[in-house]
Amino acid sequence: SQTIHQWPATLVQPVGSPLSLECTVEGTSNPNLYWYRQAAGRGLQLLFYSVGIGQISSEVPQNLSASRPQDRQFILSSKKLLLSDSGFYLCAWRVGPTRDTGELFFGEGSRLTVL
Amino acid sequence: TQLLEQSPQFLSIQEGENLTVYCNSSSVFSSLQWYRQEPGEGPVLLVTVVTGGEVKKLKRLTFQFGDARKDSSLHITAAQPGDTGLYLCAGDSALQTGANNLFFGTGTRLTVIP
Repeated sequence: SQTIHQWPATLVQPVGSPLSLECTVEGTSNPNLYWYRQAAGRGLQLLFYSVGIGQISSEVPQNLSASRPQDRQFILSSKKLLLSDSGFYLCAWRVGPTRDTGELFFGEGSRLTVL
Repeated sequence: TQLLEQSPQFLSIQEGENLTVYCNSSSVFSSLQWYRQEPGEGPVLLVTVVTGGEVKKLKRLTFQFGDARKDSSLHITAAQPGDTGLYLCAGDSALQTGANNLFFGTGTRLTVIP
């Protein structure tokens, strides 16, 4: 069966410090991978998506970057965190490549607090 | 970025009451999904609707996709405390971007009081 894990679960970082959130998927190959950010009790904002190794698309300009060094690994990074980067970050995968509608499977989430 | 507005933003009702949550957009979607999210966890899929006018039922939950595929609704009959959570609609952007991405609505926080 397919599983998705992301870590760390909780992170408290000072402004200006770097960030690295990691996500891995098991039990599937060539998935579409996504990073979303969620403000408290609100909807999800799509940050990045990837349809293959080294292929990253950004939905919004921001202080963050993403990389996909391996087929089932997706990393969210920042060189210098801002207060506005605080939030709940969710990694997700979907069967790909396909245009058909498929379920989005989410990781457990990483709560980032920037002080 | 496709904007999906949900209403109401917050809803607090008594156990046994009925409710409807709306998801509206000016964009056309190839499909629309509804998710429910518990605190501290990722969203979990409830249903996918694909055809304009489609109605799907999942026990006490009824989902409808608008004829023009721009909007959707979720109706819960005889709500129970276990229905409490954040409900999110999500539209597939394939028609606009050609990419297989989901854009989420603003969310509806439902609390069912025993």
